[in-house]
Amino acid sequence: SQKIEQNSEALNIQEGKTATLTCNYTNYSPAYLQWYRQDPGRGPVFLLLIRENEKEKRKERLKVTFDTTLKQSLFHITASQPADSATYLCALAASSNTGKLIFGQGTTLQVKP
Amino acid sequence: DGGITQSPKYLFRKEGQNVTLSCEQNLNHDAMYWYRQDPGQGLRLIYYSQIVNDFQKGDIAEGYSVSREKKESFPLTVTSAQKNPTAFYLCASSIDPRGGFYEQFFGPGTRLTVL
Repeated sequence: SQKIEQNSEALNIQEGKTATLTCNYTNYSPAYLQWYRQDPGRGPVFLLLIRENEKEKRKERLKVTFDTTLKQSLFHITASQPADSATYLCALAASSNTGKLIFGQGTTLQVKP
Repeated sequence: DGGITQSPKYLFRKEGQNVTLSCEQNLNHDAMYWYRQDPGQGLRLIYYSQIVNDFQKGDIAEGYSVSREKKESFPLTVTSAQKNPTAFYLCASSIDPRGGFYEQFFGPGTRLTVL
């Protein structure tokens, strides 16, 4: 069956360190993968999109990698700050012509000062 | 300001009642989506619409209904047939309905509680 999995355990790190979140999927061949940030009680906000032919994408302190052989994406936040504390969701395209996204359950990041 | 709005923010329903959640966007997006989120879980797709007057079932459509009479509006009705409707409901829109390389924009959500 198709699955997309993120680490359900919260990630606690110290301010200034690099946070690394993992997204694994099975039985999909997504053309692209997206990452969103969600604060409690609010809607998700888009962060980054990476295509299947891209190995890495960067935006300011954020970096995403996409390994289609391992079926895995890694999301990195460098020089983390307490304001980065939130839940991070990965999402991949369910098909090539509907715009449907399948979301992982999210990983909660807590950055301690 | 362009964006996507949902109302109400909080909604309480008695068992056996139908309720309608509003979703409006002024982004001129063709595609709109409804998701349900339960505590500690990701988003699950209820319905989506790629164009006006057309919509498709998502993964958990049972007990829900939608309409798409206008491009900017995509209301969701939670019917009495939905056995466990208490959840956080999110509406989203996207400029590209055919799965192109564009993100989804989300509204602030409606928290529905069944009493």
